[in-house]
Amino acid sequence: AQKITQTQPGMFVQEKEAVTLDCTYDTSDQSYGLFWYKQPSSGEMIFLIYQGSYDEQNATEGRYSLNFQKARKSANLVISASQLGDSAMYFCAMRERSRDDKIIFGKGTRLHILP
Amino acid sequence: NAGVTQTPKFQVLKTGQSMTLQCAQDMNHEYMSWYRQDPGMGLRLIHYSVGAGITDQGEVPNGYNVSRSTTEDFPLRLLSAAPSQTSVYFCASSPSGKNTEAFFGQGTRLTVV
Repeated sequence: AQKITQTQPGMFVQEKEAVTLDCTYDTSDQSYGLFWYKQPSSGEMIFLIYQGSYDEQNATEGRYSLNFQKARKSANLVISASQLGDSAMYFCAMRERSRDDKIIFGKGTRLHILP
Repeated sequence: NAGVTQTPKFQVLKTGQSMTLQCAQDMNHEYMSWYRQDPGMGLRLIHYSVGAGITDQGEVPNGYNVSRSTTEDFPLRLLSAAPSQTSVYFCASSPSGKNTEAFFGQGTRLTVV
């Protein structure tokens, strides 16, 4: 069974609009971390934001925020005021303490920002 | 400030050849891992290591070997390359035991013909 599910293979969003990228996860751990990475067309993996399972506040980093709903096991990435440079592939990932701290990834969402 | 260094960046192999993808990090991270990225499949974990002398299999280990003789290095060996191993390979490292992000190398694009 997939542990990280990203249900949107691709999204098109108008510039300056906010965008939400969905991520659900499956774990029985109490201690885990959730991450989002951005991969532009140049190919490098860029870390965006982290949420710990015990964090009560949603994580924010500039225009990025993570909408963490623990009971629903969802960790959606919200990008406010999207820019053309946000066009990229976005990956959700999880790290579980009980599984050697392995980091596993979802299949990704390709985001296209339209001018 | 090197971070995670992967070599080579590009490689073409013939079916049946063997090769080693190199990965080195200078951040004294305990945890290192190898992923392959294929279209529509995301990043899939091949092998990982939680410290020198300790390695374990990930989701797609077949056809690959690893070793971890030092904290800094985590090479990935393809024993007999197959066209199905054509992919982009990423090495990553992070502190172990903590919920911190992984730091990635620049990737190796491997083509097996």
